[in-house]
Amino acid sequence: EVQLLESGGDLVQPGGSLRLSCAASGLTFSSQTMTWVRQAPGKGLEWVSAISGGGYTYYADSVKGRFIISRDNSKNTLYLQVNSLRAEDTAVYYCAKVESSSYFGDWGQGTLVTVSS
Amino acid sequence: DIQMTQSPSSLSASVGDRVTITCRASQTISSSLNWYQQKAGEAPKVLIFGASSLQSGVPSRFSGSGSGTDFTLTISSLQPEDFATYYCQQSYTTPPFTFGPGTKVEIK
Repeated sequence: EVQLLESGGDLVQPGGSLRLSCAASGLTFSSQTMTWVRQAPGKGLEWVSAISGGGYTYYADSVKGRFIISRDNSKNTLYLQVNSLRAEDTAVYYCAKVESSSYFGDWGQGTLVTVSS
Repeated sequence: DIQMTQSPSSLSASVGDRVTITCRASQTISSSLNWYQQKAGEAPKVLIFGASSLQSGVPSRFSGSGSGTDFTLTISSLQPEDFATYYCQQSYTTPPFTFGPGTKVEIK
């Protein structure tokens, strides 16, 4: 059974930074494309970033240049470094496993990032 | 980038009703369309991938159809546990993996 467990969310001031983590188990993590999706309070789902098993990275325009996705295959962990945070980055951040048909098959429970002074 | 729209944005229905949700892409996406269900306070869960393939473990009352730009999610007989928000997502040209704005299914 695939399990994804996010952590690292917190209350942070505008302009601040955080590193979100997603610990994965039950899958061959090193070869797996992984992704981050966020959901602002009361809003819909927004794709944020993805990283392939080979380390290729992809970003939504709204976070490009501010967020960095990475992975540590030795720890089966996915990361999202979120920098230069804005109020509009306030959201629950989910990690998910990308299936071969490019849908998101397994999701974590999410971690809340709140950007406020 | 491909844009996704959904209709209606919300609907009220009764247990046992047949419910249909429509999703439209701004350009053709072949059959690269996925449907997710999200209940309040929970993570999304995939229901349908590739426009019409039922994810393992998902009840057969859920079905998907369509290709090109127009897609449909149908719940054949709405159950109490189906009250949730439903999102479509294109996976034809990625990134970005664009989601639709969602359809909230509420109790009538």
